[in-house]
Amino acid sequence: GQNIDQPTEMTATEGAIVQINCTYQTSGFNGLFWYQQHAGEAPTFLSYNVLDGLEEKGRFSSFLSRSKGYSYLLLKELQMKDSASYLCAADPNTDKLIFGTGTRLQVFP
Amino acid sequence: EPEVTQTPSHQVTQMGQEVILRCVPISNHLYFYWYRQILGQKVEFLVSFYNNEISEKSEIFDDQFSVERPDGSNFTLKIRSTKLEDSAMYFCASSGGGRMNTEAFFGQGTRLTVV
Repeated sequence: GQNIDQPTEMTATEGAIVQINCTYQTSGFNGLFWYQQHAGEAPTFLSYNVLDGLEEKGRFSSFLSRSKGYSYLLLKELQMKDSASYLCAADPNTDKLIFGTGTRLQVFP
Repeated sequence: EPEVTQTPSHQVTQMGQEVILRCVPISNHLYFYWYRQILGQKVEFLVSFYNNEISEKSEIFDDQFSVERPDGSNFTLKIRSTKLEDSAMYFCASSGGGRMNTEAFFGQGTRLTVV
C-alpha cells in the first residue's frame, strides 16, 4: 500500500526552530518533496530529496533516510508568515506524487 | 517568474452539469498534472499527461473525467456529469524536468462547488 504519515498540527514561537516529521511507505520510491500551502492557496515547492542526508536552503532544511522511510523539514528562525500547512509528498517512481494530509503549523509571537 | 494559471478561480455548477477547468502550464514544460483537494483533506492525484496522452491516472479519474491539450498552451480537465462529491479545489501543475515529478509548479486552483 501507499501511506504517508505526518502530524496534523504543530505550534511554535516566532524565532524558534521546528521540525516536522514524515514517514512514508510506498511500493516504489524515487524521492521526497516538501511543499508549503497557505490556506486557500496552491502548494509551493520547498525541497526535493533524492539521496540520504540533509539539504539546506536558507532557513529551511530537509532530511531524508531512505532505509528508515523517514524525512523531516526543519524550519529555523520562525516568522509569523511561516504559519501554513506543510505537505510531505512521495515520488513513488511513477508519474504522480502521493501527498500526506499536511501538518498545519501555527507560529505565535 | 513563470507561473501556472488556472481559470476560473471559482466555479459553481448544478449537479449533472458538465464543467471544464482550464489551465495554462508554464510554457516550456512538458509534463502536466491535475490534482484535487477536498476541503480539509489531502491533495489527491488525478491524472498525469505527457506527449499528448495520459501517462497515469488514479481510481478517482473515472469515465466522467477527461483531459485535453487542445492547442499548444492550454490543458483542460472536463467533468462530464458533476456530482456533489466532486466539490473540491482542483489544482493544475506542470514540470519541465527530464522525467515526471521533478519540481512541479502548481496553479492557484479552481474551487469547484457542485450544488
